[in-house]
Amino acid sequence: DVVMTQSPLSLPVTLGQPASISCRSSQSLVYSDGNTYLNWFQQRPGQSPRRLIYKVSNRDSGVPDRFSGSGSGTDFTLKISRVEAEDVGVYYCMQGTHWPPGWTFGQGTKVEIK
Amino acid sequence: EVQLVESGGGLVQPGGSLRLSCAASGFTFSSYEMNWVRQAPGKGLEWVSYISSSGSTIYYADSVKGRFTISRDNAKNSLYLQMNSLRAEDTAVYYCARTNDYWGQGTLVTVSS
Repeated sequence: DVVMTQSPLSLPVTLGQPASISCRSSQSLVYSDGNTYLNWFQQRPGQSPRRLIYKVSNRDSGVPDRFSGSGSGTDFTLKISRVEAEDVGVYYCMQGTHWPPGWTFGQGTKVEIK
Repeated sequence: EVQLVESGGGLVQPGGSLRLSCAASGFTFSSYEMNWVRQAPGKGLEWVSYISSSGSTIYYADSVKGRFTISRDNAKNSLYLQMNSLRAEDTAVYYCARTNDYWGQGTLVTVSS
């Protein structure tokens, strides 16, 4: 089974400063159709997950452009260019390439304000 | 507006059963694959089950295989999860998700004596 490993697991950030989260998969996430099914989710306190980024670097509708995704193969990164107070929460990467059996999530990275 | 509203959670004893429902609106339900994902208290996300748009293809996580059954009623725009032989480790908030782009608010299942 594919294992998704995020780092760091905790990320204290100063308001207005950048933040970066790494996600590594135990196998390449390139699918036979050429796409890479790596998504990023944000879960604010007390809320359900919200998808931010799909297929590595595509922002979902309504997602601020301070969020960006990059990477390829087995190494991926979510960047927040300037952290705002509303960005506090836990961020998860998720792979949908190796299917079935199903999605695999990273452990989550908790972003908090210093 | 896409809406997914889960219901049916609650407190159940170990070995008991529960049926979760997810009411969908704001999109053509019959055209979308659906999933259940759960989150134990204070823990991360765990995919539970998948069903294709027609219901003909179904997958389960190993942790629930043989105990949980996913189904859907496209005429009623509804997704279901029948959970049998529940264990303490099944305690979690259960989310329904449209493919992976929209998620409901979740329903809490607590398995305890």
